[in-house]
Amino acid sequence: AQKVTQAQTEISVVEKEDVTLDCVYETRDTTYYLFWYKQPPSGELVFLIRRNSFDEQNEISGRYSWNFQKSTSSFNFTITASQVVDSAVYFCALRGSNDYKLSFGAGTTVTVRA
Amino acid sequence: DAGVTQSPTHLIKTRGQQVTLRCSPKSGHDTVSWYQQALGQGPQFIFQYYEEEERQRGNFPDRFSGHQFPNYSSELNVNALLLGDSALYLCASSLALWADTQYFGPGTRLTVL
Repeated sequence: AQKVTQAQTEISVVEKEDVTLDCVYETRDTTYYLFWYKQPPSGELVFLIRRNSFDEQNEISGRYSWNFQKSTSSFNFTITASQVVDSAVYFCALRGSNDYKLSFGAGTTVTVRA
Repeated sequence: DAGVTQSPTHLIKTRGQQVTLRCSPKSGHDTVSWYQQALGQGPQFIFQYYEEEERQRGNFPDRFSGHQFPNYSSELNVNALLLGDSALYLCASSLALWADTQYFGPGTRLTVL
């Protein structure tokens, strides 16, 4: 069974501060996929990033970056120079190689104040 | 390029009634998954359809059923509604059954009174 834990319930920052969201996962699969989704107040889940378990290279995409550490089963996500429009609930999700479903964490609510 | 669409946007039903929710996948996608998101929680997987068959099912009772049509669109049916069925129902589509990334629609907010 897959399990995703997002220990941070809420994070509040002032605009232009960096925000790091923590995600810890559990899986018995040797190949798996990790995701971050954003859910603004409108409700639609917006895909942000995906990382395959066999690729531990960390990347930066615009103001987003992620840190994948297989040794600690963590997949943390950072928003650099946050903006008010980044205010949303952020979900970390996991899919095993023999699984079609996404398993989500409970989400972290990010509030960016002007 | 149209994204995932869902209808209706909102729905109010009473206990014991039945409801049908609809989803059209993103252009070019043939696999549809349904998720239930209770308030303040992460989405929970209901089931997934590919080639008009249910391929995987989550821990939901038989009151929850679905269908996929030849044009890849899908329906979610819930019978004998309970108060606890009140939630946001999200549809997601992907390029294929084994595709990595699922893209979500705006959801249907169901309220059961």
